[in-house]
Amino acid sequence: EAGVTQSPTHLIKTRGQQVTLRCSPISGHTSVYWYQQALGLGLQFLLWYDEGEERNRGNFPPRFSGRQFPNYSSELNVNALELEDSALYLCASSSDRHTEAFFGQGTRLTVV
Amino acid sequence: AQSVTQLGSHVSVSEGALVLLRCNYSSSVPPYLFWYVQYPNQGLQLLLKYTSAATLVKGINGFEAEFKKSETSFHLTKPSAHMSDAAEYFCAVRSSMYSGGGADGLTFGKGTHLIIQP
Repeated sequence: EAGVTQSPTHLIKTRGQQVTLRCSPISGHTSVYWYQQALGLGLQFLLWYDEGEERNRGNFPPRFSGRQFPNYSSELNVNALELEDSALYLCASSSDRHTEAFFGQGTRLTVV
Repeated sequence: AQSVTQLGSHVSVSEGALVLLRCNYSSSVPPYLFWYVQYPNQGLQLLLKYTSAATLVKGINGFEAEFKKSETSFHLTKPSAHMSDAAEYFCAVRSSMYSGGGADGLTFGKGTHLIIQP
């Protein structure tokens, strides 16, 4: 069974640009979570989607947004990129909020 | 508000020795507590979790952790370290108001890099 897949694995963007990261959950999982792992800041909760709706949001500015599609895959969009947005972005999925979440390998974003 | 403190950004042990990774938490409500492991260039893998059942929790790969409310601690141990245990370990807390063991609103510690000496 395929795990959580994220694309792309790496990308480099220029400050001020916009970026879209993608996540495909494990088959049958309806909840998708996004976390940011930045150097020196550790892992921080970004967003939680379930059944197509945003259910919870971490302490991030509105330029971080996303959506979940009918097939439960998800996108994370970051507008007006700043240097400090450079991080590993991890996506996780679970069958619901009560059960274990499985993480993907992440997308490494570098903003220059 | 909730927070997690992991004592020691790097811990080095000899192969076969006891592994002890420390985690202290603060939470205004009874917490759910988790340990995750991250191998190089990988995502996070759940090692074990405490969700208000038994205070001694056994996880995968021979790891276990004990919830001590009086000490607000959830230290991770393994009796005998193996070279394959070298990785980054993260302790995380989640308010029980969320219910269950999902990944919604987890607060992570900064991580402890475990080094295994041959």
